[in-house]
Amino acid sequence: AQSVAQPEDQVNVAEGNPLTVKCTYSVSGNPYLFWYVQYPNRGLQFLLKYITGDNLVKGSYGFEAEFNKSQTSFHLKKPSALVSDSALYFCAVISSGSARQLTFGSGTQLTVLP
Amino acid sequence: DVKVTQSSRYLVKRTGEKVFLECVQDMDHENMFWYRQDPGLGLRLIYFSYDVKMKEKGDIPEGYSVSREKKERFSLILESASTNQTSMYLCASRPGLAEGYNEQFFGPGTRLTVL
Repeated sequence: AQSVAQPEDQVNVAEGNPLTVKCTYSVSGNPYLFWYVQYPNRGLQFLLKYITGDNLVKGSYGFEAEFNKSQTSFHLKKPSALVSDSALYFCAVISSGSARQLTFGSGTQLTVLP
Repeated sequence: DVKVTQSSRYLVKRTGEKVFLECVQDMDHENMFWYRQDPGLGLRLIYFSYDVKMKEKGDIPEGYSVSREKKERFSLILESASTNQTSMYLCASRPGLAEGYNEQFFGPGTRLTVL
């Protein structure tokens, strides 16, 4: 079985401060990990993914995520938050070589305060 | 840019009605997916399709069926709509055959209300 946990329903951060949105996962085998963002009344947009290689992955809009195998985590980060980053963020996982499909977390609402 | 379109942004139906949700993608992707999104539950997979006329059940297929007669179109059917099917429905497509490492491209969603 595979699963994703996003332990925080809501994250608030001041504009200009660094932000972190947490994600932990559970899979059998090696994981493929993804972050998606959903702006109000829109579909999900792909931000970044980890497949293999460097543990620090850089993506769209200045976001990055760090894969930590020992802690089974894939936290999303940004050095300096913008008000326009306010959105719903989803982490997702799939086990490499698995016939299963992506499993999404429950989502974290990020609010960046001006 | 990949474009995934869904036939309606908002839909209101009555209990017992048959409901069709249409999804079209324009990038020749092999894989297509239907999810429902509910607050606190994230996205849950209803059905997916690897190719034309092929379909696989996802995690919550009960009460739904799908149709994929053409590569670019994937339809979700609620045979007899019920109030617990009130939700946001998201369609997605993904290139490649079974490779899970390709990202999915999502449509804007259909917010369905069943009265």
